[in-house]
Amino acid sequence: NAGVTQTPKFRILKIGQSMTLQCTQDMNHNYMYWYRQDPGMGLKLIYYSVGAGITDKGEVPNGYNVSRSTTEDFPLRLELAAPSQTSVYFCASSSTAPGQGATEAFFGQGTRLTVV
Amino acid sequence: GIQVEQSPPDLILQEGANSTLRCNFSDSVNNLQWFHQNPWGQLINLFYIPSGTKQNGRLSATTVATERYSLLYISSSQTTDSGVYFCAGALWTNAGKSTFGDGTTLTVKP
Repeated sequence: NAGVTQTPKFRILKIGQSMTLQCTQDMNHNYMYWYRQDPGMGLKLIYYSVGAGITDKGEVPNGYNVSRSTTEDFPLRLELAAPSQTSVYFCASSSTAPGQGATEAFFGQGTRLTVV
Repeated sequence: GIQVEQSPPDLILQEGANSTLRCNFSDSVNNLQWFHQNPWGQLINLFYIPSGTKQNGRLSATTVATERYSLLYISSSQTTDSGVYFCAGALWTNAGKSTFGDGTTLTVKP
């Protein structure tokens, strides 16, 4: 049981390039999330998904796209990388419980992205 | 969305001291969690505590959901407790939109 796995761990992009951050979980969780963490700050929600085929915007979605074709995978796409997207990106997943919605979230190890 | 306020923003302790970290929410949340981010950036789950009190070794947490706050207690602190402590939660009506506080940075000196 690997939990939440993110790839790559590190990446340097040039301005205007595109890339996909991969996230997969093996816990059969319904909910999945992408966050970004800027230096010295808390985590901000980019996008989330409540199940396969369903995604919704979080607090800072501009410049990103997501898809959720399977329960396990939730990739994050950057189309035109900008220096403002330099950050650490975390993927997470959580299960649900009746009357509670999402429950405890588990996080991947993070992807450190630098845009130059 | 909800607002999450953590206090204090920074805390410096001598090894062996006790501390209390606080998390205030602007609205009632139903899936409150505490995390420790270690110096390598890894997020470690400490407590999932929508309400009540839980204990795990030297750490314990209490959430008073009706008053919209949660407390994290660290007793007999060790240098390995250093790092940033985050709380996060979401409204039951929008459980996917979890909001994090800005964290409390704890430094434990030997």
